[in-house]
Amino acid sequence: GAVVSQHPSRVICKSGTSVKIECRSLDFQATTMFWYRQFPKQSLMLMATSNEGSKATYEQGVEKDKFLINHASLTLSTLTVTSAHPEDSSFYICSATPLWETQYFGPGTRLLVL
Amino acid sequence: KQEVTQIPAALSVPEGENLVLNCSFTDSAIYNLQWFRQDPGKGLTSLLLIQSSQREQTSGRLNASLDKSSGRSTLYIAASQPGDSATYLCAVGMIKAAGNKLTFGGGTRVLVKP
Repeated sequence: GAVVSQHPSRVICKSGTSVKIECRSLDFQATTMFWYRQFPKQSLMLMATSNEGSKATYEQGVEKDKFLINHASLTLSTLTVTSAHPEDSSFYICSATPLWETQYFGPGTRLLVL
Repeated sequence: KQEVTQIPAALSVPEGENLVLNCSFTDSAIYNLQWFRQDPGKGLTSLLLIQSSQREQTSGRLNASLDKSSGRSTLYIAASQPGDSATYLCAVGMIKAAGNKLTFGGGTRVLVKP
């Protein structure tokens, strides 16, 4: 139980394009989903917290217009990196939690912007 | 603001030795603390979750202790094996009112030599 999936697992795109990453909770309803970014050999940094049906809460320093988050249902949240640039290349990981309990993490999406 | 530190940053031991990984945090008002394992290029695998009211958790060869008052947690891995080679992350969950956000330490990269 408590499986979280991410799609795609890796994506390569050209600079200036937008990329959408999906995060799904497969066997539970996630009231809250979190998006993290991880640079090589560094730890996870929380980008934003999203609750179903409401606007995401972004951490300080994260551009909300660049990283669009939509939590349209209790099992799906999407992160769209708009007008991606090479410095956006990173490993993006989502997590989902039912009612403030343990966060269950997805397998991550590796983004490479050329 | 919660800060989480992991020492050492890297650790190399011969197979069979016990591993001791340290995690410290600055704000003791935590909800829980988790230890994760991350293999290169992969997502997170939850190892142990300690609630703030608990002092330790055990799973097989793994034992994690928590001293909330001093802001410390230690992960012990007994009789290490080459398959234990990975990065180990500790993450502190803040009180429920904060949405149970996790703050991650920088990780300890472990190499167990055969």
